[in-house]
Amino acid sequence: EAGVAQSPRYKIIEKRQSVAFWCNPISGHATLYWYQQILGQGPKLLIQFQNNGVVDDSQLPKDRFSAERLKGVDSTLKIQPAKLEDSAVYLCASSLKGRTRQETQYFGPGTRLLVL
Amino acid sequence: SQQGEEDPQALSIQEGENATMNCSYKTSINNLQWYRQNSGRGLVHLILIRSNEREKHSGRLRVTLDTSKKSSSLLITASRAADTASYFCAPSTGANSKLTFGKGITLSVRP
Repeated sequence: EAGVAQSPRYKIIEKRQSVAFWCNPISGHATLYWYQQILGQGPKLLIQFQNNGVVDDSQLPKDRFSAERLKGVDSTLKIQPAKLEDSAVYLCASSLKGRTRQETQYFGPGTRLLVL
Repeated sequence: SQQGEEDPQALSIQEGENATMNCSYKTSINNLQWYRQNSGRGLVHLILIRSNEREKHSGRLRVTLDTSKKSSSLLITASRAADTASYFCAPSTGANSKLTFGKGITLSVRP
């Protein structure tokens, strides 16, 4: 079974530029998550999708971050404009249903973003 | 916040020794999960213990949960150099099974 795929693996941009990350979850997984992991910290949930609907985006900085999951499969996370403090690893994860309360999440390798 | 708080922050042991890592959380949970992260990589799920379970085993891993104390521990027996990684506990809460990660424990296993 193929795992969660993410691209690109690394990205370097200057502040105020835009950047987009892509995620392809495990086939058949209905729930998709985007996390931000700052160096030395644990992952912080940015947004959770159930199929193509948003169920939790309470920690997403909506003035600069946006995410979509068209057709309930792939997802894109965008930052516009980027700030220095956005430098982090962006992790995508998926789970089968997200509604049983006893599920595990499967993580992709992450995209490491450096904002200069 | 449901953030799991791990203790200690860092742990260094000799290969073959046991490693014990602790986690505390704040309110009621669906379950508590432990994940491992090797340097520069994504997280790998290790084990899930439900709120009505007290102990669970998986290979060299043993997890305990004490809901009265709102704490959990992860024991890795007979550690190997390959166990060197960061370990995170993540309480799962709410209808959406939200995971809230702590800062993690850095485990170093010396060969």
